[in-house]
Amino acid sequence: AQSVTQPDIHITVSEGASLELRCNYSYGATPYLFWYVQSPGQGLQLLLKYFSGDTLVQGIKGFEAEFKRSQSSFNLRKPSVHWSDAAEYFCATSNPQGAQKLVFGQGTRLTINP
Amino acid sequence: SAVISQKPSRDICQRGTSLTIQCQVDSQVTMMFWYRQQPGQSLTLIATANQGSEATYESGFVIDKFPISRPNLTFSTLTVSNMSPEDSSIYLCSVMTGGGGYTFGSGTRLTVV
Repeated sequence: AQSVTQPDIHITVSEGASLELRCNYSYGATPYLFWYVQSPGQGLQLLLKYFSGDTLVQGIKGFEAEFKRSQSSFNLRKPSVHWSDAAEYFCATSNPQGAQKLVFGQGTRLTINP
Repeated sequence: SAVISQKPSRDICQRGTSLTIQCQVDSQVTMMFWYRQQPGQSLTLIATANQGSEATYESGFVIDKFPISRPNLTFSTLTVSNMSPEDSSIYLCSVMTGGGGYTFGSGTRLTVV
C-alpha cells in the first residue's frame, strides 16, 4: 500500500525567507501526489498536484513542488514566504490504479517569524 | 471543481449519544470519502462510500461505530455512534473531482463531553 512520510513535524522560517517542506512516498510505481494546506480553523485547500509529465509543478500562492523518482520525493518549495503562509501542510498520495483513496502524511506545521 | 456543503460545522455532544454529519455535493460523484482528523494529527480515512453499495471501511473503523449512508450520487451521511471523548475530532468528507484531484468539505468539529 502507498504511504507518505513528512520528516519535519514543525518548521520555523523568517518572513521573506525561502521554504522547502519535505515529502517522501512509498509506492511501486509513480503515484499521484498532492500538497494541501490547512490554515487554523479552516478546511483543506489544494496547493498543487502531480500525475505525470513535467516533474516541476507550479501551484497556487507561489508554491511549487518537484517530483524526484530517484529519491521518492515530492518536496514543496516557495522562494519567499509571507506571514499568511503559516499553516499546516500535508503531503498526500493516491494510487492511480487502485482504490483511489487519498493517503496523507503526518503534516508539517509552518511558523513564520516576523 | 465540485463544491461540498458539510454540516454541522461544529457540535458539542454528550457521551453515549450519536451525531450524524451530512455532506451535499453540487454534482454527481461516484465515490465519497470520510476522514477523521484527531487533535493535532493528520487525516485518517474512515471509509469510502459508493452509491448503491455498502461502504468500505479502513482497518480500525467499523460500521457499527461509523455507519454511512449514500442514498444518491450527491449526498452522504456519516454517523458517529455511542460517542466517547476519544471521538472528539474533525470529520471531513471528500470527493474526487475532474482531473483526478480531491475536494474537501469544510469539516465538522466534534467535541464529546
